[in-house]
Amino acid sequence: SAVISQKPSRDICQRGTSLTIQCQVDSQVTMMFWYRQQPGQSLTLIATANQGSEATYESGFVIDKFPISRPNLTFSTLTVSNMSPEDSSIYLCSVEDVRTSSYEQYFGPGTRLTVT
Amino acid sequence: AQRVTQPEKLLSVFKGAPVELKCNYSYSGSPELFWYVQYSRQRLQLLLRHISRESIKGFTADLNKGETSFHLKKPFAQEEDSAMYYCALVDHTGTASKLTFGTGTRLQVTL
Repeated sequence: SAVISQKPSRDICQRGTSLTIQCQVDSQVTMMFWYRQQPGQSLTLIATANQGSEATYESGFVIDKFPISRPNLTFSTLTVSNMSPEDSSIYLCSVEDVRTSSYEQYFGPGTRLTVT
Repeated sequence: AQRVTQPEKLLSVFKGAPVELKCNYSYSGSPELFWYVQYSRQRLQLLLRHISRESIKGFTADLNKGETSFHLKKPFAQEEDSAMYYCALVDHTGTASKLTFGTGTRLQVTL
């Protein structure tokens, strides 16, 4: 399976600022995903990021708030813009293992964001 | 609409007792399901995929299309099984396939 790293692992930010989270994969992957996991909640998909195309956002998430870049097949960033305390969450990136053709995903360690 | 339901937030069992973590789904197509596990201070990791019908760490899960269920079972719980378990469904209804997760069940195995 792919090895996925995320930076930063955690951060404390002031409201109104923005944070960019990086996701690095040790192999080339087509599909990358960004999730949010709020305290005590399940994972909610924010968007799907394919290299060379615009990210596809889920209902309730917009590009102005969560801009995503996918410059190549091993890297992606998610920016949380104009943060408020409600954005405090764990943000996870994942990749799909297309080799198995089973749509399973492998996850990064997450970025714990606290907005004060 | 596609949905995954895990009715129990917390399941507490004694070591050596059988475990059943419930998962029900709602999906219009042919379902593809996974169980993911998150141990304390570790990342979310794949435990089982229904398509392979395998047993991992003593856990099995059988897809029951009649009952729209994919319950996770283990005959004898171990302390190291204590973790958060998520059931996930592959959703092909959009422009790209994605996973829909249940709300998760925390399994607590006590002595």
